[in-house]
Amino acid sequence: AQSVTQLGSHVSVSEGALVLLRCNYSSSVPPYLFWYVQYPNQGLQLLLKYTSAATLVKGINGFEAEFKKSETSFHLTKPSAHMSDAAEYFCAVSHGGYQKVTFGIGTKLQVIP
Amino acid sequence: EAQVTQNPRYLITVTGKKLTVTCSQNMNHEYMSWYRQDPGLGLRQIYYSMNVEVTDKGDVPEGYKVSRKEKRNFPLILESPSPNQTSLYFCASGKWGGEGDTQYFGPGTRLTVL
Repeated sequence: AQSVTQLGSHVSVSEGALVLLRCNYSSSVPPYLFWYVQYPNQGLQLLLKYTSAATLVKGINGFEAEFKKSETSFHLTKPSAHMSDAAEYFCAVSHGGYQKVTFGIGTKLQVIP
Repeated sequence: EAQVTQNPRYLITVTGKKLTVTCSQNMNHEYMSWYRQDPGLGLRQIYYSMNVEVTDKGDVPEGYKVSRKEKRNFPLILESPSPNQTSLYFCASGKWGGEGDTQYFGPGTRLTVL
C-alpha cells in the first residue's frame, strides 16, 4: 500500500519569504515521489519527481524537494515566494512510474503581497 | 504543440443517461490515465492504460469503463451516471524514463449529474 500525507491544507507566506510545503509518504517499497501544481481553473502540471537518482530534486519555477528516507518525507521548498506561485500543490507517490499514482489532498498556497 | 485534450469541458446530465468523455493526446505517449478531483479528497485514479488494449483499475473504478483502441485516445465511459459521480475529471498522458520523460494533464471536464 502507498499513501501520502500533506500537512496543512492551506499555507500562507509573504512575497519573498521561504515556501515550505510538507509531504510525508508511506510505502512498503522504494517509492517514486512527485509534486504537482494546479493553478486556478487549470489542469495539473508536474513540478518535479524523485526517482532515486538524487535525493535533492530540482524542478521548474525555482522549486526543489529533498527525499529523506529516515523521515519518510519529500517536502517542497522555494527560497523566495512570488505572487505567481499562488496555487494548489499536490504531493504524490507511485511504485511504477506514472501508473498507479496516489495523490495527497493538496495544499493551497497563498502569497501575501 | 504538445497537449492533452478533453471533451466536453463542461457537462450537465441526468441520472442514468450514458455519457462518454473523450481524451486525446498528440505526443505518442504509451501511458494514459483518468482521475477525478473532489474537494478535500485530492485526485483519485479511476483507470490507467500502459498501451493499446492494456488497461487496469485505479483506486475508484466502480461505475466507469475505459477503452484504449488507439494509442492517442482514452475515452471514459459512464454507462449509468449517478449523482455521486459529479466531479472534476482529468485525463493524463506520459512517457516514463529516457528522452522525453514527462507527463501532461488535460484541462479537465466538470461533470454534474442531476
